[in-house]
Amino acid sequence: DGGITQSPKYLFRKEGQNVTLSCEQNLNHDAMYWYRQDPGQGLRLIYYSQIVNDFQKGDIAEGYSVSREKKESFPLTVTSAQKNPTAFYLCASSLEGQYTGELFFGEGSRLTVL
Amino acid sequence: ILNVEQSPQSLHVQEGDSTNFTCSFPSSNFYALHWYRWETAKSPEALFVMTLNGDEKKKGRISATLNTKEGYSYLYIKGSQPEDSATYLCAFYFPGANNLFFGTGTRLTVIP
Repeated sequence: DGGITQSPKYLFRKEGQNVTLSCEQNLNHDAMYWYRQDPGQGLRLIYYSQIVNDFQKGDIAEGYSVSREKKESFPLTVTSAQKNPTAFYLCASSLEGQYTGELFFGEGSRLTVL
Repeated sequence: ILNVEQSPQSLHVQEGDSTNFTCSFPSSNFYALHWYRWETAKSPEALFVMTLNGDEKKKGRISATLNTKEGYSYLYIKGSQPEDSATYLCAFYFPGANNLFFGTGTRLTVIP
């Protein structure tokens, strides 16, 4: 089945450690996105990529890094510089990067920093 | 960051009742409005992407209308079923920021 696969679903990290969340899609979509959800807030954009080897910061990119070496993959690294990393992270993709088409989402990864 | 407001925050309806909820967004520089349905433990799923003022879209028992001049969209569910229980998200696309701004959602619970 075509779709977006995120892993792991749950992750615990000690303070000061970097952690990488995986996002893979087999939809042949050009654009991919990372969103963060916090209680009582709407989804907020961390990073997006419209094409391989290119990515742009979203509203809350500080403390995060991404790469887009392959069309299918858009991993997100939560670095130790992220001050409040405990959150639910959603990866998404779209056919094109202009938001006139729908986003396809993964099931999310919940990160807890101990 | 643009303000996208959804109301109510949550509601409970009886099976068979029809219901509706609202998404409010900035009326200037409109480009597109998205509606998503997000069931617990699943991924958000697109319902509609709306781009034209006066647009009305329908998918089964769910329909949506769009008023870009006054900055609101309504989502209607006719004859609610327990499987309609989910959080419904709307999101406003603002080209100036090349970003999709999400509301906090309306959590619908349909009581059998």
